[in-house]
Amino acid sequence: GDSVVQTEGQVLPSEGDSLIVNCSYETTQYPSLFWYVQYPGEGPQLHLKAMKANDKGRNKGFEAMYRKETTSFHLEKDSVQESDSAVYFCALSDEWNNRLAFGKGNQVVVIP
Amino acid sequence: IAGITQAPTSQILAAGRRMTLRCTQDMRHNAMYWYRQDLGLGLRLIHYSNTAGTTGKGEVPDGYSVSRANTDDFPLTLASAVPSQTSVYFCASSEGQGNTDTQYFGPGTRLTVL
Repeated sequence: GDSVVQTEGQVLPSEGDSLIVNCSYETTQYPSLFWYVQYPGEGPQLHLKAMKANDKGRNKGFEAMYRKETTSFHLEKDSVQESDSAVYFCALSDEWNNRLAFGKGNQVVVIP
Repeated sequence: IAGITQAPTSQILAAGRRMTLRCTQDMRHNAMYWYRQDLGLGLRLIHYSNTAGTTGKGEVPDGYSVSRANTDDFPLTLASAVPSQTSVYFCASSEGQGNTDTQYFGPGTRLTVL
């Protein structure tokens, strides 16, 4: 079945550092890919998405490129701020439905 | 517009008891979902409904049941709660069931089964 892998646990960049949160996926389909962000005490909310290979999702300075050849969708930002501290989940839905498969999530804590 | 509301916010429950988690959306979305979130495991789909009157099983459906009598409400029932069902439960909805439809999540219900 479909799966999403996020390997790192907690990520601790300093304010102003660049950030990469890794995401790889496995599926036999042509998925849509998503990053969801979750702040303390809230439900996840869509951060960005890419619908097909070579699409780039963008939001609030974050980017993620849908790379079919490496089955990856890494989240990147050039210069993080303290307000970017949150848990980030990578997810996919296959081409036939909207049921999401999530990775385990990475907690990003930006050190001021 | 409230979006998605869930009730209760949190609950402590004795094992063996029956419990219904409520979810209501006011966006007239066709599709609704229930996920559970466990530390180190991310979110996993329990059940879903593509439209009123239909439901389907997700990744971890055992021990849970759902109904979708109308568009707005999607309750999740634990018939006989067990400690392994201790989790944070999120309801979500999307306008349609296509893979381009954004899912919107509620604030969650924190359930502890003792």
